[in-house]
Amino acid sequence: DAKTTQPPSMDCAEGRAANLPCNHSTISGNEYVYWYRQIHSQGPQYIIHGLKNNETNEMASLIITEDRKSSTLILPHATLRDTAVYYCIVSHNNAGNNRKLIWGLGTSLAVNP
Amino acid sequence: EAQVTQNPRYLITVTGKKLTVTCSQNMNHEYMSWYRQDPGLGLRQIYYSMNVEVTDKGDVPEGYKVSRKEKRNFPLILESPSPNQTSLYFCASSFSSRGQDTQYFGPGTRLTVL
Repeated sequence: DAKTTQPPSMDCAEGRAANLPCNHSTISGNEYVYWYRQIHSQGPQYIIHGLKNNETNEMASLIITEDRKSSTLILPHATLRDTAVYYCIVSHNNAGNNRKLIWGLGTSLAVNP
Repeated sequence: EAQVTQNPRYLITVTGKKLTVTCSQNMNHEYMSWYRQDPGLGLRQIYYSMNVEVTDKGDVPEGYKVSRKEKRNFPLILESPSPNQTSLYFCASSFSSRGQDTQYFGPGTRLTVL
């Protein structure tokens, strides 16, 4: 299983872009990079995912390096409500159909006023 | 509103007293899963289900049972709870497809076993 490495914590000023890095150097060719976040013990919330190309949606942008060994989640204008733990996950692609997500400890992002 | 619901949200019980945590989704998802979350360990999968009557073990299935008699429901059963099952539990669901898809999580059930 591809594992991910994230910094345990980061700070960001309100209104500024938050750039959250993730290393996944052992990712295989058919594995996706997913980002979820969890606000204070609530259920994790899906943010975005990608395979090779950069992706953007209404919540964030995902930049994946060409060698796919790392990625960055970008929250373009962070607000106080973006304070959460952000998880970078590489999808588990075993022989069956279990869409198990292998969770690390994520990055605790604090958005400060 | 598309959602995954869990009940109860909070539960305090005693060792050995059977309990069931319910999970229901209204999105017609085929795949459902249970996770537990403990400090310093992240989320770990307990059981999952690909469809009605199809269930399988995740990483930490010991002490738990599940059933999938209807597509929308996936209850988690603790036949004889023990204190090491004190945890925060999440149910999740997603569409089933050949490609990757996102998982939708319930609000969580905080269980304390005394």
